[in-house]
Amino acid sequence: DGGITQSPKYLFRKEGQNVTLSCEQNLNHDAMYWYRQDPGQGLRLIYYSQIVNDFQKGDIAEGYSVSREKKESFPLTVTSAQKNPTAFYLCASSMKGDAAYEQYFGPGTRLTVT
Amino acid sequence: KQEVTQIPAALSVPEGENLVLNCSFTDSAIYNLQWFRQDPGKGLTSLLLIQSSQREQTSGRLNASLDKSSGRSTLYIAASQPGDSATYLCAVPKTSGSRLTFGEGTQLTVNP
Repeated sequence: DGGITQSPKYLFRKEGQNVTLSCEQNLNHDAMYWYRQDPGQGLRLIYYSQIVNDFQKGDIAEGYSVSREKKESFPLTVTSAQKNPTAFYLCASSMKGDAAYEQYFGPGTRLTVT
Repeated sequence: KQEVTQIPAALSVPEGENLVLNCSFTDSAIYNLQWFRQDPGKGLTSLLLIQSSQREQTSGRLNASLDKSSGRSTLYIAASQPGDSATYLCAVPKTSGSRLTFGEGTQLTVNP
């Protein structure tokens, strides 16, 4: 089955620790995205990558880092510099990094930092 | 800066009712508009994508319309079912690239 997988589904961390969220896709898509969703708010873009070895900051990149070493993988690291890391994190991909292409989403990772 | 608003924030209807969800955007120069469905605690599922040159797009019991000049889109759900209960989000890309701006969503409950 083609799709996007995110792991783990739930993640718990202590304040001050870095944590890495996994996102893998087997759709052969060039572009990948990370969003954050908070209760009562729309999705906000953290980082996106239109091609391997290249990525750009989204609207709320502070306290986050990414890498894109393989086409299939786009891991997100939530660093201790992120002031309010508790949220639902969604990864998405699209065939190309162009507005003409639909974005497809993974099931999400819920991160809780205490 | 593009802003996307969805009204109402929540809607509860009896099964079988036809209903309309609204999405408005402040910058009418959009490339397309996408409607998504999100079940509680899950990711988003793409429902319909309307190109800026289109007025309507249909998929099964769903019909989405787009009026760029007035900055509005509606999602019409015919003969609603309890399985339609979810949050529905609309999103528009900035004209120069693929970054989507999302509305906050409408939480729909269809009661048996």
